[in-house]
Amino acid sequence: GQNIDQPTEMTATEGAIVQINCTYQTSGFNGLFWYQQHAGEAPTFLSYNVLDGLEEKGRFSSFLSRSKGYSYLLLKELQMKDSASYLCAVRGGGGSYIPTFGRGTSLIVHP
Amino acid sequence: ETGVTQTPRHLVMGMTNKKSLKCEQHLGHNAMYWYKQSAKKPLELMFVYSLEERVENNSVPSRFSPECPNSSHLFLHLHTLQPEDSALYLCASSQDRGRETQYFGPGTRLLVL
Repeated sequence: GQNIDQPTEMTATEGAIVQINCTYQTSGFNGLFWYQQHAGEAPTFLSYNVLDGLEEKGRFSSFLSRSKGYSYLLLKELQMKDSASYLCAVRGGGGSYIPTFGRGTSLIVHP
Repeated sequence: ETGVTQTPRHLVMGMTNKKSLKCEQHLGHNAMYWYKQSAKKPLELMFVYSLEERVENNSVPSRFSPECPNSSHLFLHLHTLQPEDSALYLCASSQDRGRETQYFGPGTRLLVL
């Protein structure tokens, strides 16, 4: 089976840095996705990691450690518009390439 | 129009009604998906279509019936739903089945009375 854990909710201040963690236990591993979802809107793709290390994309970075079953999403220079739910999704092995999603982390950015 | 579109955006129905949700993708993708998103729960995969063939069905009750007439369109036919079926229903597409990033539509917010 697949198990993906993320914190339910986090709060941070505008201009600060926040790290959202995701741990997973899956049968095999074929990549990890992060999506952003604003209330009432579609999830939108942020990042994809399949190898260990840090992937940087502007204010957002994503890190993966396959041996630890661990990833984080790092958001720098937080803006009010970053208030959203952040979904971690893992693609397991065994021939099914469909990602399994975590419950999501609701991030609230305060002025 | 680009991306993935869904209609209607909001739907209220009684338990005896029959309705359909529609999804259309303009990305030239070969795979389409239906997900259910309930409050405080992970996205639940319902159905996967690849090249118009249903390839996965995650033990979804028969009151949900998908249809994929071509690679650009996906429907979810609803009948005799239960109040616990109230949720956000998201459609997504990807170039191939699970191998590429999924692009999501805005969803249909369904309320079953």
